[in-house]
Amino acid sequence: AQSVTQLDSQVPVFEEAPVELRCNYSSSVSVYLFWYVQYPNQGLQLLLKYLSGSTLVKGINGFEAEFNKSQTSFHLRKPSVHISDTAEYFCAVSEFEAQKLVFGQGTRLTINP
Amino acid sequence: NAGVTQTPKFQVLKTGQSMTLQCAQDMNHEYMSWYRQDPGMGLRLIHYSVGAGITDQGEVPNGYNVSRSTTEDFPLRLLSAAPSQTSVYFCATLESFSGNTIYFGEGSWLTVV
Repeated sequence: AQSVTQLDSQVPVFEEAPVELRCNYSSSVSVYLFWYVQYPNQGLQLLLKYLSGSTLVKGINGFEAEFNKSQTSFHLRKPSVHISDTAEYFCAVSEFEAQKLVFGQGTRLTINP
Repeated sequence: NAGVTQTPKFQVLKTGQSMTLQCAQDMNHEYMSWYRQDPGMGLRLIHYSVGAGITDQGEVPNGYNVSRSTTEDFPLRLLSAAPSQTSVYFCATLESFSGNTIYFGEGSWLTVV
């Protein structure tokens, strides 16, 4: 069965600093990988996704993530964060043949001025 | 395009009352689902449907009922509300040809007192 672990429940960083949100997954088959962002009191929106091809995936708002098959990881990065990036971030995995996503517990990113 | 539309956005129920959360989509996606979001628990799948007339249970189905009479609509019924069902509920559709990408509604905040 597939599972997702987000290694940090909260990540505080200063504005304009770099950030990495960590995500590890477990699956016995090939997977698709996703990062979703949830701003306060809103729904979730897709930040980026890895389907195949290049392991470095670029998303919206300057975020990118790298798929590492050997380490079963899909960490999210941004070189310089802004106050507006304050949100909760969810990593998710979907096996190729399964029409289902499994989500991690979420990481709350807080940006301090 | 409206995408995924949920109503109501906010609701307060008394213990034992029943209610229906409505979900409608205009993307012609076969797959629809309901998640609940609780602090520290991430998103948990309640029920899902792979097409009209077909529904199945997710991780946390107890206390909830669903039906899928059309491709567009997927209502979630709380049969006898309990305080443990206080949560944020998200309806979602899945687009399988783009790598199982999920599209969420804006959420329904439910409080059971």
